[in-house]
Amino acid sequence: DAGITQSPRYKITETGRQVTLMCHQTWSHSYMFWYRQDLGHGLRLIYYSAAADITDKGEVPDGYVVSRSKTENFPLTLESATRSQTSVYFCATGTSYGYTFGSGTRLTVV
Amino acid sequence: KNQVEQSPQSLIILEGKNCTLQCNYTVSPFSNLRWYKQDTGRGPVSLTIMTFSENTKSNGRYTATLDADTKQSSLHITASQLSDSASYICVVSPLSNFGNEKLTFGTGTRLTIIP
Repeated sequence: DAGITQSPRYKITETGRQVTLMCHQTWSHSYMFWYRQDLGHGLRLIYYSAAADITDKGEVPDGYVVSRSKTENFPLTLESATRSQTSVYFCATGTSYGYTFGSGTRLTVV
Repeated sequence: KNQVEQSPQSLIILEGKNCTLQCNYTVSPFSNLRWYKQDTGRGPVSLTIMTFSENTKSNGRYTATLDADTKQSSLHITASQLSDSASYICVVSPLSNFGNEKLTFGTGTRLTIIP
């Protein structure tokens, strides 16, 4: 199916564990983004990528790592998860016409 | 600091009624303003996008207005349906160069339509 898919949909992990959230798009859009959504905050940009092998920090990058070896994939890794990283994470792609968001990954760090 | 404030935080209306959601922003400079609809458990979906030269934009029963002078926008929903129950998010961009637009998201208005 065409579009943008995130996996897993739900994840529970322990403090200190490494966890990777996956994002895959089928359009070959150059730009991809990772956002987190928390109660009382608007979506906040973690990292974005303009193309394969090109990534840049957003507003809240600390504690996260991204990579983009292929245009269609943009995984987000929490190297050592903390409770403050409990959130809903959204991946998005975009063109100058607009943005398309995935369905999100709800991550709980216990 | 760029900010987007939305009101009300939540709203409950009867099916078939109209409603208006508000968005005030302090983002400067200003390039464009977008309204998104976010269903529970889903990602945001674009409803409208307006540049500073546009005063109004419609998408079916959704009509967005923009007053760039007062830095206010509204989203009007006509003849509401149960499927309109969602959060509505206002997003403002200070830049026009796609990819590095530094979008500022509001926290959204939670709209509930009751039968």
